[in-house]
Amino acid sequence: NAGVTQTPKFQVLKTGQSMTLQCAQDMNHEYMSWYRQDPGMGLRLIHYSVGAGITDQGEVPNGYNVSRSTTEDFPLRLLSAAPSQTSVYFCASSRRGALSGLGYGYTFGSGTRLTVV
Amino acid sequence: QQQVKQSPQSLIVQKGGISIINCAYENTAFDYFPWYQQFPGKGPALLIAIRPDVSEKKEGRFTISFNKSAKQFSLHIMDSQPGDSATYFCAGTKLVFGAGTILRVKS
Repeated sequence: NAGVTQTPKFQVLKTGQSMTLQCAQDMNHEYMSWYRQDPGMGLRLIHYSVGAGITDQGEVPNGYNVSRSTTEDFPLRLLSAAPSQTSVYFCASSRRGALSGLGYGYTFGSGTRLTVV
Repeated sequence: QQQVKQSPQSLIVQKGGISIINCAYENTAFDYFPWYQQFPGKGPALLIAIRPDVSEKKEGRFTISFNKSAKQFSLHIMDSQPGDSATYFCAGTKLVFGAGTILRVKS
């Protein structure tokens, strides 16, 4: 039982390049989400999904795309990387009901540290 | 649009002391109040959580106190240890997190 697996762990991109951050979970969780973590800013929600085929925007969605074709995978795409997207990215998953406060915590991956130069 | 305001930003406590981190929320629809602990290079992990129908929950050295009328909840770490040094996040439902508190426990 691996939990939430994120790849790669580290990545350096040049401005304007595109890439996909991978996220996979093996807990059969319905909810998956992407956060970015910046010093002093906490965890800010980028996009989230409540199930396969359903995605929605979070607080900071600009410059990012997501899709959810399976329950297990939730990739995050950077369309044209910018230095402002330098951050640590976390993927998280949870059982159904987390959004409505049924007491299910989130399981986080170990993060991807992205630098855009 | 932080719906959860956390304080302080950083905290230094002597070994054996009490660490207290506070969180204030705005959305009265929140009905689950967790705290997460994050060590350097790791993702956050659920530490302890409370529902608003109780005022306090204790798990070992960690206690959540909840004040519904003031829309605040706090994390108390009793007998703080150097191994507790980490970043702590409060959160509400609807996938929102506080800005985090960096705790350092001095031995």
